[in-house]
Amino acid sequence: AQSVTQPDIHITVSEGASLELRCNYSYGATPYLFWYVQSPGQGLQLLLKYFSGDTLVQGIKGFEAEFKRSQSSFNLRKPSVHWSDAAEYFCAVAREDDYKLSFGAGTTVTVRA
Amino acid sequence: EAGVAQSPRYKIIEKRQSVAFWCNPISGHATLYWYQQILGQGPKLLIQFQNNGVVDDSQLPKDRFSAERLKGVDSTLKIQPAKLEDSAVYLCASSLSPDGYTEAFFGQGTRLTVV
Repeated sequence: AQSVTQPDIHITVSEGASLELRCNYSYGATPYLFWYVQSPGQGLQLLLKYFSGDTLVQGIKGFEAEFKRSQSSFNLRKPSVHWSDAAEYFCAVAREDDYKLSFGAGTTVTVRA
Repeated sequence: EAGVAQSPRYKIIEKRQSVAFWCNPISGHATLYWYQQILGQGPKLLIQFQNNGVVDDSQLPKDRFSAERLKGVDSTLKIQPAKLEDSAVYLCASSLSPDGYTEAFFGQGTRLTVV
């Protein structure tokens, strides 16, 4: 079975500062990796995904993530956060055999002026 | 392209009552998921359909929860009877996944409050 760990429950950053959210997964084979964002009262919106190929992937809203197989990690980054980036961020892993999609517990990002 | 549609958006019921949620996935999407998201937690997979067959329902409390996917398209999730701990947002998602995995798209969710 796969599992997803997001070590940081809550992160506070200043507007304009950089942001990095951590994600570690456990899965025997090569996973499909995702980052979703959820604003209050909203559904989940896909930020970016990794299936194969270049391990640095670009997403929407200026986000990027890097897949590191040796560390079983898929960390999300943004060079300069905007107040609108305040939200809940979820890392997710899908299995290649049955497409089961599992989520981490999420990281809440607060942006201060 | 229309997204994943869910209804109702909100529901308040008393414990021991029954409730049903409806999901219309994106047209042509083979895989459909139901998730339960309790406040402050990540989504937990309840059931996964591939077309109209169940792939995984290992975390579905089958004594009170049931789900079906009609003709491989729409799906309903039912709770009977509801308990206080069922208060959560129920998310439906779908993915194309014909011969390989494609990303899942989520609906807005149904927020259930059991009082």
